Amino acid sequence: SQTIHQWPATLVQPVGSPLSLECTVEGTSNPNLYWYRQAAGRGLQLLFYSVGIGQISSEVPQNLSASRPQDRQFILSSKKLLLSDSGFYLCAWGARGLAGGRETQYFGPGTRLLVL
Amino acid sequence: AQSVSQHNHHVILSEAASLELGCNYSYGGTVNLFWYVQYPGQHLQLLLKYFSGDPLVKGIKGFEAEFIKSKFSFNLRKPSVQWSDTAEYFCAVGGYTGRRALTFGSGTRLQVQP
Repeated sequence: SQTIHQWPATLVQPVGSPLSLECTVEGTSNPNLYWYRQAAGRGLQLLFYSVGIGQISSEVPQNLSASRPQDRQFILSSKKLLLSDSGFYLCAWGARGLAGGRETQYFGPGTRLLVL
Repeated sequence: AQSVSQHNHHVILSEAASLELGCNYSYGGTVNLFWYVQYPGQHLQLLLKYFSGDPLVKGIKGFEAEFIKSKFSFNLRKPSVQWSDTAEYFCAVGGYTGRRALTFGSGTRLQVQP
């Protein structure tokens, strides 16, 4: 069965420090990968998605970047964190290539980031 | 662009009461529709999904949802809630072609009182 891992689970970082959040998927190959952010009291906002190694699409201009160095690894980064980067970051994978464009996304446990 | 509206932000019910959570979306094309649930302290889990066919779909734990195309709605229902249903519920819409990232509603927090 497929599993998705995220780490760290919780992170407290000072403003201006760098960030690296990692997401890995097991039990599937060539998945679509997604980074979402969930701010308190709000729904999930898509940040980045990737359909393959080295292929990153950004949904919103921001202080963050993403990379996909391996098929099942997705990394969210920042060179200098802002207070507004605080939130709950979720990684998701979707099975690609199903007939008719049907994809279900499955979410990881998330990383709670607090920028002070 | 897609958008999803969940009109009920916070719902409080007693056990055995019936539940209906509203979800409306705006998108002109074919869509995939989902309900996700986030129990306290747990990660987001898929509750049910609709791709095509019978507009009444059944999910886990006795939940069901009905897709009404003419109303752009995908409401979640459960005839009798339990205390363990206390959670936050998110409706999401995904594109059928091209970009398949999900657009989420803002969520509905359900509190079931014993």
